[in-house]
Amino acid sequence: KQEVTQIPAALSVPEGENLVLNCSFTDSAIYNLQWFRQDPGKGLTSLLLIQSSQREQTSGRLNASLDKSSGRSTLYIAASQPGDSATYLCAVEGNNRLAFGKGNQVVVIP
Amino acid sequence: NAGVTQTPKFQVLKTGQSMTLQCAQDMNHNSMYWYRQDPGMGLRLIYYSASEGTTDKGEVPNGYNVSRLNKREFSLRLESAAPSQTSVYFCASSEDRDLGQPQHFGDGTRLSIL
Repeated sequence: KQEVTQIPAALSVPEGENLVLNCSFTDSAIYNLQWFRQDPGKGLTSLLLIQSSQREQTSGRLNASLDKSSGRSTLYIAASQPGDSATYLCAVEGNNRLAFGKGNQVVVIP
Repeated sequence: NAGVTQTPKFQVLKTGQSMTLQCAQDMNHNSMYWYRQDPGMGLRLIYYSASEGTTDKGEVPNGYNVSRLNKREFSLRLESAAPSQTSVYFCASSEDRDLGQPQHFGDGTRLSIL
């Protein structure tokens, strides 16, 4: 069974600092890896999707890398802003299902 | 620009009552999903429908039934609600499950079973 881990569960950073969020997974036979953002009381918003054949994806200030062999992905958010405060979820698709981590709860301090 | 719409947003039930959670998407997506989110457990897949006319069990299907009414709509039914089914339920859709496209989520239904 695929296990997805995100550490730390919560973190705070000053505005302007770069954010680095880590995700690890136990089974490297994945189809793709997705990063989502969840705001309180809301659903999930897809941020980036990395296919298993890719090494990274970029969208604006966001960059996600994937190392399948080591079972790791990293989400970088450059020059963090208070509006980046949210929970970030990593999800790995394989074996006909999406397995989610429990998330990194991020607070960006003005 | 509705995307995925879930109704109701909140519901309180008594143990043993039944109810149906509704989900509709306007993106012409083939695949639809139902998840539950519980503190400390993350999101877990209940059922999914890869395409109109098909449904399959996910990780935690017990106590639930689903219906893919048409391409737009995918409903989740609790026949006899139990306190363990207190959770936030999310519906999601994607263009095609086999293409590995991102999933689009609704805002959730917050369900409490007393």
